[in-house]
Amino acid sequence: QKEVEQNSGPLSVPEGAIASLNCTYSDRGSQSFFWYRQYSGKSPELIMFIYSNGDKEDGRFTAQLNKASQYVSLLIRDSQPSDSATYLCAAYSGYSTLTFGKGTMLLVSP
Amino acid sequence: SAVISQKPSRDICQRGTSLTIQCQVDSQVTMMFWYRQQPGQSLTLIATANQGSEATYESGFVIDKFPISRPNLTFSTLTVSNMSPEDSSIYLCSVRPGQGDGTQYFGPGTRLTVL
Repeated sequence: QKEVEQNSGPLSVPEGAIASLNCTYSDRGSQSFFWYRQYSGKSPELIMFIYSNGDKEDGRFTAQLNKASQYVSLLIRDSQPSDSATYLCAAYSGYSTLTFGKGTMLLVSP
Repeated sequence: SAVISQKPSRDICQRGTSLTIQCQVDSQVTMMFWYRQQPGQSLTLIATANQGSEATYESGFVIDKFPISRPNLTFSTLTVSNMSPEDSSIYLCSVRPGQGDGTQYFGPGTRLTVL
C-alpha cells in the first residue's frame, strides 16, 4: 500500500528562521511530489512540485528530492507568521490519484 | 492553474435529507476528484469523477450514498444522500488539468453540518 509519512508537528520556528518540513514515501514508482499549504478552514493550495532529484527553488521555498532515500523536504526561508499553516506532502505514481500525507503543522512565532 | 468554484460554500442540513454540491472549473480538465476532510484530519478521497461514465469509488464509499455526476470536462456534482451527523465535514472538489505530472488543484470546499 502506497504511503506518505509526515511528522504531524507542530513544528515551531521563530520569525526569520528556516523551517524544514520533511516527508517520506513508500512507493519507489512515485514520479512527482507536491507540497500544499492549508490554512485553518481553507482548502489546500499548491506551493510547489518536484520530480527530479536535487533542489528546486521558488522564492522563499525550496523543495528537495532524494529518490534513493525516498525523501522529500520543503524549506521555507525567512519564515513569517503568515506561513503558519498545515503543509501537506503528496506523491504521484502515475495512477489516477495522489497519495497525501497527514500534514505537518507549522507555527511561526513573531 | 485552474479556477475552481463550488456551490454551496456551506450548508446546515437535517438528518435524512440529501445535498448536492456543484463543482465548476474555468477550463477543461482531464480528471476531477471529490475529497472529504473532517476537522483536524487529513484528506480522504471519496471518488474519481469520470466524464460520461460511472465514478470510481474508494474503499468505504458507495454510489448509493455519494452519487457523482460529471456530464462534461468542466463540471461535476457530488450528492451526499440520507445524511447523518457523521457526514458533517468539508467536501472538496479537486481537478487535474493535464495528463502529465499529476498536478492537482483544489476548490474552496463546501462545509456541511448535519443536525
